[in-house]
Amino acid sequence: EDQVTQSPEALRLQEGESSSLNCSYTVSGLRGLFWYRQDPGKGPEFLFTLYSAGEEKEKERLKATLTKKESFLHITAPKPEDSATYLCAVQAYSSASKIIFGSGTRLSIRP
Amino acid sequence: DTGVSQDPRHKITKRGQNVTFRCDPISEHNRLYWYRQTLGQGPEFLTYFQNEAQLEKSRLLSDRFSAERPKGSFSTLEIQRTEQGDSAMYLCASSPGDRGHTEAFFGQGTRLTVV
Repeated sequence: EDQVTQSPEALRLQEGESSSLNCSYTVSGLRGLFWYRQDPGKGPEFLFTLYSAGEEKEKERLKATLTKKESFLHITAPKPEDSATYLCAVQAYSSASKIIFGSGTRLSIRP
Repeated sequence: DTGVSQDPRHKITKRGQNVTFRCDPISEHNRLYWYRQTLGQGPEFLTYFQNEAQLEKSRLLSDRFSAERPKGSFSTLEIQRTEQGDSAMYLCASSPGDRGHTEAFFGQGTRLTVV
């Protein structure tokens, strides 16, 4: 069964302290891996799509990377406004409709 | 704004009542998804439409839940005989669906509270 596991569940960083969030996945033929940001009480906001191992995408202080078993979201010199829950999701070729989400990592950046 | 729109944003209902939520996807997106999210969890897949056809439904979805997408435009999600366990955020998303763009874009959700 397709599955996504994110770690850590929560992460508290000081402003400017870089770190990485992990997303491990099991899927029968990866069609796409997605990263979203979600603020409290709001819907997820799309960040990146990665399609194949070795691919990287960047946006401001965020960089997403992909291997055959996991993806990392690297946050460089974070600011308090980067505080949010970051969700990882996968879509398989075998079920081209369903997008399966992990439970997310709650990121808190202290000024 | 041309994003995904959901209505209402909040709904409080008594146990046993029926509720209906509406989702207007991004225009020209032929794929539409419904998800449910509870506190501290990621979104859980409920159902999926390609145009007006409902192609997949979660095995976890009770028969009290039904969704429609007439004419392949807006969609509605109805919950009959609501229970306290139905309290959650209900999220709608749409996707272009073509090979180069499979990501889904979400609305702001409908927060349902069953009392």
